Amino acid sequence: QQQVKQSPQSLIVQKGGISIINCAYENTAFDYFPWYQQFPGKGPALLIAIRPDVSEKKEGRFTISFNKSAKQFSLHIMDSQPGDSATYFCAASRRGSTASKLTFGTGTRLQVTL
Amino acid sequence: SQTIHQWPATLVQPVGSPLSLECTVEGTSNPNLYWYRQAAGRGLQLLFYSVGIGQISSEVPQNLSASRPQDRQFILSSKKLLLSDSGFYLCAWSVGHNYGYTFGSGTRLTVV
Repeated sequence: QQQVKQSPQSLIVQKGGISIINCAYENTAFDYFPWYQQFPGKGPALLIAIRPDVSEKKEGRFTISFNKSAKQFSLHIMDSQPGDSATYFCAASRRGSTASKLTFGTGTRLQVTL
Repeated sequence: SQTIHQWPATLVQPVGSPLSLECTVEGTSNPNLYWYRQAAGRGLQLLFYSVGIGQISSEVPQNLSASRPQDRQFILSSKKLLLSDSGFYLCAWSVGHNYGYTFGSGTRLTVV
């Protein structure tokens, strides 16, 4: 059973635009929500993460918005650049989970065009 | 600083041949270790995880096995590869909740 649903599957954004990727979770015990960025042929890299005690976290052009009541969180990439073209994964984990396992979304392939 | 090494970067193996992929972590002790597989254009599938030496948990039934002979070494193996074993294999480590994973650079395995 997939516990983190990610959308859209792919996204094309013009340079300078805002990229928005959404995730929804089912398990209310989740309390850590990271986003990963993966370039072709490379391993995913942690981009930004949020805990449910805040509704928003911003790091540079990247912002996570978190809605605990709706069980949704999203990644916003402001002023999107061609270098942001990559696959993005949301994930979630809960305190006490065995080996701190992350549950990943299915990924969003972002293409930023000139 | 912590680093993770994974090798080889690419591998082409015939069907029925054995496999051994190695992952080592530096700069941390008693990490949680993970093996993931990523099919082309697909998401991340957790194959195995380990919370300590000799402790291996399998997430999905498959043709692969994992071992952790040392605290910071994680090995993915197969006795006889299948075509369906092709994919991008990723090793990762974590030190606990709320710290996320650090992934290795991956191994691209093609079984022919």
